[in-house]
Amino acid sequence: GEDVEQSLFLSVREGDSSVINCTYTDSSSTYLYWYKQEPGAGLQLLTYIFSNMDMKQDQRLTVLLNKKDKHLSLRIADTQTGDSAIYFCAETYHNAGKSTFGDGTTLTVKP
Amino acid sequence: KAGVTQTPRYLIKTRGQQVTLSCSPISGHRSVSWYQQTPGQGLQFLFEYFSETQRNKGNFPGRFSGRQFSNSRSEMNVSTLELGDSALYLCASSPDRASGELFFGEGSRLTVL
Repeated sequence: GEDVEQSLFLSVREGDSSVINCTYTDSSSTYLYWYKQEPGAGLQLLTYIFSNMDMKQDQRLTVLLNKKDKHLSLRIADTQTGDSAIYFCAETYHNAGKSTFGDGTTLTVKP
Repeated sequence: KAGVTQTPRYLIKTRGQQVTLSCSPISGHRSVSWYQQTPGQGLQFLFEYFSETQRNKGNFPGRFSGRQFSNSRSEMNVSTLELGDSALYLCASSPDRASGELFFGEGSRLTVL
């Protein structure tokens, strides 16, 4: 079945790295995504990784995928106060038209 | 390119009423999906439309329905509103069904009194 889990809260100091973790249960997931939601807004697609990849880097963002443990992480380098938001991981399948989301991790960045 | 536009942004209804929410996808995007976001249940998939056909449906009662028009714009309708329907309803568009890459609107916040 489909289930995506995340820790609910993370607090870091400005300039530090943030690591947000996610576990999923369905090994047939094709794509894994990270979205960011700021207060009063919809979700913004940040980055994604295909299930046949181990790592993807996109500027300050690094996504790591451990398929054996079904573990996904998002690392934000040099975290800024503007990075404070809720981060969602999501899994989807090719041509499914549906994504399953975790409950979101609230990242607080302290100056 | 304009993003996903949802209207109305905020609305208040009473129990038993019905509501229609509208979503205009990004130009050229043919897939539109809807999600309900609540503090208790998180993001729950409602349904997905592609080429005017519902292709996938979540586990919601029949009071929740939707449709997609030939220009890819979509509407969702909730009839006989219940207090528990209070939520942020998010629409997302995607260029196709293959990747699952979703571009979200800012949502319609529904309050049921």
